[in-house]
Amino acid sequence: EVQLAESGGGLVQPGGPLRLSCAASGSTFSSYPMNWFRQAPGKGLEWVSYISSSSRTIYYADSVKGRFTISRDNAENSLYLQMNSLRPEDTAVYYCARDLTGAGSYQIYVDVWGQGTTVTVSS
Amino acid sequence: DIQMTQSPSSLSASVGDRVTITCRASQSISRYLNWYQQKPGKAPKLLIYAASSLQSGVPSRFSGSGSGTDFTLTISSLQPEDFATYYCQQSYSNPLYTFGQGTELEIK
Repeated sequence: EVQLAESGGGLVQPGGPLRLSCAASGSTFSSYPMNWFRQAPGKGLEWVSYISSSSRTIYYADSVKGRFTISRDNAENSLYLQMNSLRPEDTAVYYCARDLTGAGSYQIYVDVWGQGTTVTVSS
Repeated sequence: DIQMTQSPSSLSASVGDRVTITCRASQSISRYLNWYQQKPGKAPKLLIYAASSLQSGVPSRFSGSGSGTDFTLTISSLQPEDFATYYCQQSYSNPLYTFGQGTELEIK
């Protein structure tokens, strides 16, 4: 069973950069699209970014477009999120998660999540 | 963007109770609706996908129904480990996922 482990979170000043990593166990990482989600303190879940298995297709939430960059290295079983121009409202727990399309109708969902890494943007 | 609205936002119930949580989409999403459970300090866990399909390993007391804009998650007999926050998520506009605001299920 695949497991995901995020790292790279921490305290950063407004306007600063931070790079998150997500290490995947197992040999099937390269077969699946991946996502980043986040959850601000005491708030709900927010989708941040998506990358296809080949990296050809990438999407961002409007709230991070132009500031965040998602990437992956299938040879290293790793997913990344480069975050620039950070704002206090980016403070959250960030989760990497696997995207899955099942064989049946309507089966598109996120089935494996990492434990999360905390990003705090504050001066 | 597709907006998802859950009700209630919080709910108090007792062990053994039958509980229903509702999720409404701002437009028809067919059956592209998933449910997640999240406990404090933990990652979300997939319970139900495609509106009514039970994820492997999830107890059968959890069930989902609905299509179009209105969906429900039902827990037939609450167990102590079920007290958590529940989120619906639409995957119709995949991968531009959106979630409901969450329903916090508390012990009465």
